[in-house]
Amino acid sequence: GAGVSQSPRYKVAKRGQDVALRCDPISGHVSLFWYQQALGQGPEFLTYFQNEAQLDKSGLPSDRFFAERPEGSVSTLKIQRTQQEDSAVYLCASGIIAGGDTQYFGPGTRLTVL
Amino acid sequence: KQEVTQIPAALSVPEGENLVLNCSFTDSAIYNLQWFRQDPGKGLTSLLLIQSSQREQTSGRLNASLDKSSGRSTLYIAASQPGDSATYLCAVRENTGTASKLTFGTGTRLQVTL
Repeated sequence: GAGVSQSPRYKVAKRGQDVALRCDPISGHVSLFWYQQALGQGPEFLTYFQNEAQLDKSGLPSDRFFAERPEGSVSTLKIQRTQQEDSAVYLCASGIIAGGDTQYFGPGTRLTVL
Repeated sequence: KQEVTQIPAALSVPEGENLVLNCSFTDSAIYNLQWFRQDPGKGLTSLLLIQSSQREQTSGRLNASLDKSSGRSTLYIAASQPGDSATYLCAVRENTGTASKLTFGTGTRLQVTL
């Protein structure tokens, strides 16, 4: 595909369930970012990967959030024991080079926790 | 901590009007500033990127200015069209470490009416 893809596009979870959100970056892109966008708010940074290395996870809101990119391409954001406040759109973005200016965003996954 | 504010939160204008969207940030030590467009259910599309050493950037009917010392940026849209209806987000990249994470404002929701 030409752009960043994310799956699923929509996810409904019961409180306490674990969820896994997938991001397929543009092929060959070194940088990968996860952002969380609550309703009516701007995206907020969660974590950053350079290839398979997670260089910054300062934005992860709690230890229930975990992200990985084991082979430097596809990334998964996992949320354990989901809470209602986790309801948001989760955006993934990739960049051609490390620390590069341009981030290409995917359509996001809308997570609703009941 | 960097904070980004956008005013107004929402704006409705008739087709053909020129308009200005405002963005302010609290820490002037930025690397660059970007304006994005977000359509419902879709990811973010980068419109303009201004490096910290630049004063403005232009693309078609869009012009973005940056006054780093006062912590302000404006996005000027000329001759607005219904297709311009979207949420416009301002984001700053800071001069910190290896990550090029972005700090976003809350956005301005623009509606251009016929």
